[in-house]
Amino acid sequence: DTEVTQTPKHLVMGMTNKKSLKCEQHMGHRAMYWYKQKAKKPPELMFVYSYEKLSINESVPSRFSPECPNSSLLNLHLHALQPEDSALYLCASSQVSGVLADTQYFGPGTRLTVL
Amino acid sequence: GQNIDQPTEMTATEGAIVQINCTYQTSGFNGLFWYQQHAGEAPTFLSYNVLDGLEEKGRFSSFLSRSKGYSYLLLKELQMKDSASYLCAVEGGTYKYIFGTGTRLKVLA
Repeated sequence: DTEVTQTPKHLVMGMTNKKSLKCEQHMGHRAMYWYKQKAKKPPELMFVYSYEKLSINESVPSRFSPECPNSSLLNLHLHALQPEDSALYLCASSQVSGVLADTQYFGPGTRLTVL
Repeated sequence: GQNIDQPTEMTATEGAIVQINCTYQTSGFNGLFWYQQHAGEAPTFLSYNVLDGLEEKGRFSSFLSRSKGYSYLLLKELQMKDSASYLCAVEGGTYKYIFGTGTRLKVLA
């Protein structure tokens, strides 16, 4: 089973709203990722958690706040977003094998629209 | 710098064979991945190369030459459902995928 689930599938929010995106995996993976993808562009890495600790923050604005409550769950808290933040937000997970590269498995994404 | 190049678009006919090239210049290299992505959907893992040579998985094969910074994805017996974007990604550092801009493949009947 290589399934990563994300909720909600679609989200429309105003610039003053606070919302959260959720991601879950039960593959025993210990690395989890948030990506942002604009139309016809490749995914851009935002955050990486390894063993529930934030390992990488790609200089993401503070209006995006990640959280990893446990090894299976990853949240992305959104506050005071801008219309240009509208995009597909992808969650991914991978093993941490310690042997070169690990395959990342992606969830179906949340389509976010900021009005 | 980090750079991964792929052709922007390709068109092929159902039943044919198509080769999608990827060239890369990265400061680190832990492996190269190919993903398929249909519009509005998640990228789906296709193949992984870390050593030089060809990896075959059914209708899909991927080749890597580390000395040339070059990879290709070969799709055989094309089907309409293969119309999608194909993303080349290099893991240049731990956890860090660097994605190419993707190749949009159109399969015509």
